[in-house]
Amino acid sequence: DTGVSQDPRHKITKRGQNVTFRCDPISEHNRLYWYRQTLGQGPEFLTYFQNEAQLEKSRLLSDRFSAERPKGSFSTLEIQRTEQGDSAMYLCASSLGTGGHHEQFFGPGTRLTVL
Amino acid sequence: AQSVTQLGSHVSVSEGALVLLRCNYSSSVPPYLFWYVQYPNQGLQLLLKYTTGATLVKGINGFEAEFKKSETSFHLTKPSAHMSDAAEYFCAVRSGGSNYKLTFGKGTLLTVNP
Repeated sequence: DTGVSQDPRHKITKRGQNVTFRCDPISEHNRLYWYRQTLGQGPEFLTYFQNEAQLEKSRLLSDRFSAERPKGSFSTLEIQRTEQGDSAMYLCASSLGTGGHHEQFFGPGTRLTVL
Repeated sequence: AQSVTQLGSHVSVSEGALVLLRCNYSSSVPPYLFWYVQYPNQGLQLLLKYTTGATLVKGINGFEAEFKKSETSFHLTKPSAHMSDAAEYFCAVRSGGSNYKLTFGKGTLLTVNP
């Protein structure tokens, strides 16, 4: 069990640049979630996929944010025209969608700093 | 809508003392409740969960929590704190059904003094 992995772990970018993060879930998990965590706060839900379908998006996910999970395996989160307010830890989680399992397993996160 | 309130952003205990971290939730339907722990610069690790059944749930590292519907609470306890318990703890709620997203509290930073 390799767990949920995220890449990169850290990203520093200048305001206005685009960034893309990758998440690889646990292999048999069909649900994948993105959360954002700012300093001193708990994680906030951004979006969630079941297989390749994006089923829910938070109002936090502005037009500059887009997430994909093209083959129902890994997912990418892109932020266009980054702003300083986008600086945060971006967390990915996955879960198994059958058998009453409810646990979300989290990756180590990608810490984004926008200068 | 679901929400979580964690009372006390910072709790400090002595090694060997009781740990009590408070969590109250709001949910329109029977909730699923979770406690996660986060160490610096790491992701979240599940400590324990309540879904259905027994209201006292035991988790890893000696932690336990009790679901009290009448009080809408899910407080986390550990009888004897260890230095390695120092971390940030998050309570989370999921309203069940087809709603899979977790709503987290703001977290409680636990400090353990020698």
